[in-house]
Amino acid sequence: GIQVEQSPPDLILQEGANSTLRCNFSDSVNNLQWFHQNPWGQLINLFYIPSGTKQNGRLSATTVATERYSLLYISSSQTTDSGVYFCAVDWETSGSRLTFGEGTQLTVNP
Amino acid sequence: KAGVTQTPRYLIKTRGQQVTLSCSPISGHRSVSWYQQTPGQGLQFLFEYFSETQRNKGNFPGRFSGRQFSNSRSEMNVSTLELGDSALYLCASSEGDGADTQYFGPGTRLTVL
Repeated sequence: GIQVEQSPPDLILQEGANSTLRCNFSDSVNNLQWFHQNPWGQLINLFYIPSGTKQNGRLSATTVATERYSLLYISSSQTTDSGVYFCAVDWETSGSRLTFGEGTQLTVNP
Repeated sequence: KAGVTQTPRYLIKTRGQQVTLSCSPISGHRSVSWYQQTPGQGLQFLFEYFSETQRNKGNFPGRFSGRQFSNSRSEMNVSTLELGDSALYLCASSEGDGADTQYFGPGTRLTVL
């Protein structure tokens, strides 16, 4: 099956700093999503981005499908950005089956 | 629209028992998928249902089963519970047209004693 690798595994920042999270995947995909898992376990959609660039406030994401990677940018980080960020990809031709990376644990200190 | 809902939110069972978890998708969504999250294995795909039919299945033993009703609500069942089944079980819904956005519910945290 498809492999998804996220880096770095852990990231500690001071409030106000910027960061870049990376997701590499081993095969062509037809779906790529970034999620933030809140302390209660719910996965919050950040981006649906199988290709191209999107921005939402302080967050933006870029997927370069031909080179099989995606980047999530967090600017001017806040303590509420802390948590685990997951990249998930789908390569199924029929239906859906997300394969998740192991996540990046982000800690933003005040 | 209301989001994906899952019940119950927390559950404690003992080994050998069975459990049924429920998921109500976003209105209009026809696909429901289930995932298991554990500290050791991370997030793993269990199965996907679309129009009451299982469309995709992950690598889990037959003790894990599911079904979908005509209103798109889904249930998953785990029989003969093992300690290793302790996990957060997450349900996701989507319109089901292929590669589309998956929206996740809050999860059911199952503890097996």
